[in-house]
Amino acid sequence: AQSVTQPDIHITVSEGASLELRCNYSYGATPYLFWYVQSPGQGLQLLLKYFSGDTLVQGIKGFEAEFKRSQSSFNLRKPSVHWSDAAEYFCALRTTDSWGKLQFGAGTQVVVTP
Amino acid sequence: ETGVTQTPRHLVMGMTNKKSLKCEQHLGHNAMYWYKQSAKKPLELMFVYSLEERVENNSVPSRFSPECPNSSHLFLHLHTLQPEDSALYLCASSPDLAAGHNEQFFGPGTRLTVL
Repeated sequence: AQSVTQPDIHITVSEGASLELRCNYSYGATPYLFWYVQSPGQGLQLLLKYFSGDTLVQGIKGFEAEFKRSQSSFNLRKPSVHWSDAAEYFCALRTTDSWGKLQFGAGTQVVVTP
Repeated sequence: ETGVTQTPRHLVMGMTNKKSLKCEQHLGHNAMYWYKQSAKKPLELMFVYSLEERVENNSVPSRFSPECPNSSHLFLHLHTLQPEDSALYLCASSPDLAAGHNEQFFGPGTRLTVL
């Protein structure tokens, strides 16, 4: 069965510093992969997605993610965080043989300090 | 209104009450979803509808009853809930079910508290 693991439950980063959030997946083939962000009291917003082609994906708000098949990873990065990036981040997987079911990781809470 | 809207945003109910959550999407999508988000747990898919037909019911207790009268509206009827049902209930939509890379668009959620 497929699974998504976000090893870091909580990350604290200084404003202006770089950020990397880890995501590992388990699936027998190449899945569709997504990163969503959830601000307090809000729903989930898609940051970026990968389904084929270039393994470095650019998203909104200055985020990017790199798909590494050999490591079964899809880590999210941002070179310089802003206070508004404080939120919870979810990695999600959809298998290529399913009709739409997204499997989410447990999420990583990001705190940004001045 | 644009995107996916949910009402109410907050709901407090007793265990014997009956209430309904409403979701509306203005995106012309054919698929709609209910998720439950509890503290410290991954999002749980509850129900999936495609063209108003239920595609999946993920072993959800019968005290949760979904309804999809048309492709733009989705309801979740609640009856005799338990305190452990307190959570954020998120609605989402996507263009259809067939293309796996289609993203799901989420509403802001309804924060439900069961007393």
